Parts: sequence; C-alpha cells; structure tokens
Amino acid sequence: KAGVTQTPRYLIKTRGQQVTLSCSPISGHRSVSWYQQTPGQGLQFLFEYFSETQRNKGNFPGRFSGRQFSNSRSEMNVSTLELGDSALYLCASSLFTPGTLNEQFFGPGTRLTVL
Amino acid sequence: DAKTTQPPSMDCAEGRAANLPCNHSTISGNEYVYWYRQIHSQGPQYIIHGLKNNETNEMASLIITEDRKSSTLILPHATLRDTAVYYCIVRVDNAGNMLTFGGGTRLMVKP
Repeated sequence: KAGVTQTPRYLIKTRGQQVTLSCSPISGHRSVSWYQQTPGQGLQFLFEYFSETQRNKGNFPGRFSGRQFSNSRSEMNVSTLELGDSALYLCASSLFTPGTLNEQFFGPGTRLTVL
Repeated sequence: DAKTTQPPSMDCAEGRAANLPCNHSTISGNEYVYWYRQIHSQGPQYIIHGLKNNETNEMASLIITEDRKSSTLILPHATLRDTAVYYCIVRVDNAGNMLTFGGGTRLMVKP
C-alpha cells in the first residue's frame, strides 16, 4: 500500500509570493492534517480536513489556508510569503472513526525556503 | 490536551534497552498517551499508545504508572536506526486527529 505522498518535496520562493502544496493520503484514508515544523517552534498543527470540511484549525494567520477534494487529496496554500514561513510542511492521513483515536501516517514533507 | 515534559536528550548504547520517560501530571481520565518518533528528515512515525494498561507491540513497550502521571517508552534492544526524536503526546479520544507535539527527546544510539 502506497504511503502518504507530498509534492513538491522542495520549493524555493521569494517573499510576497504564494505557494500551493499538495498531499495525497493513503488509499481509503479520509482525514488529512497539515503541520508546520520549524527549528524554533517545533511541530505545529495547521488544520485538519475530513470529507472536504475543515474540522480543526491551529493558531496560524489567515494567509494559511487549505482544502480537501472529493478524492481526499488535499492542498494547502500560503499567500504573501514571509521569511518565517520557511519550514518543513508535513501532511498526515488517517482513517476516521467517530469517537476514536486514529493512528496518523505522515508523509515525507515539503521543504519550503522563502528568500 | 495535557502538557507533557520530556528530557531534551538521551544516549543509549546499541543493543541495550532505551527507556524514555514522559511526565504528564495533569492528564485527565479520558486522555490517552501516544508516542511518535521522527527520524532525521522524515515525517513522524507512530509507535504505540495506551490509556492505563501497559502496552507492547513489535516496536516498543509502553509502561504507564498507576496514577497515570508519567509513562516510559521502552525500546528493548536499541539499534542505530532508532536514533530519532521521540515525542510523547496525550490527547482525548474524540478530539479529531490534531496532535500537539512538545519538544520531544532526542535519542542518540551509539555503537
């Protein structure tokens, strides 16, 4: 079974630009979560999607947005990039069973560098 | 979710057991203890989770104290490939899939 895939793996942008990152979950997984990892702040939750609806959102500015498609694939977008947005962006997928915890499977991440 | 406290780093000799502690003194009755690890340049990987009983799987054992205020992840025979950052997370069972990561413990397995 293929794991979580993220594209692109590496990306370089300049301040003020926008960027779109893509995540394909494991087949059959309907929940997708996004995380940002930086040396200073560690791993921080961005948002979670299930059935094309955002279920949870972390404490990030509105420049960070996401969406999920009917095939469970997800994209996240960061507009008006700032130097501090340089980070490893991780996507995780899981099955969704109401009222239970589900193991999350992480992708390899997209390394974004903002110059 | 309850806050966790872990030592920032630990060393372990290859082939020996690695015992990674986690303090979660404010844990509530419906919060589970989860462990993930992150090997350099990879996404985090699920290891094990438990509520109050000790748990064991092919990767590790999880020992939770009777008062549930702390736990220990045990890697019985550490290998060089176990060098990673280990995260202890506590969370309720109906909070969706959001994980709150702390600083974790950087485990260095040495030959």
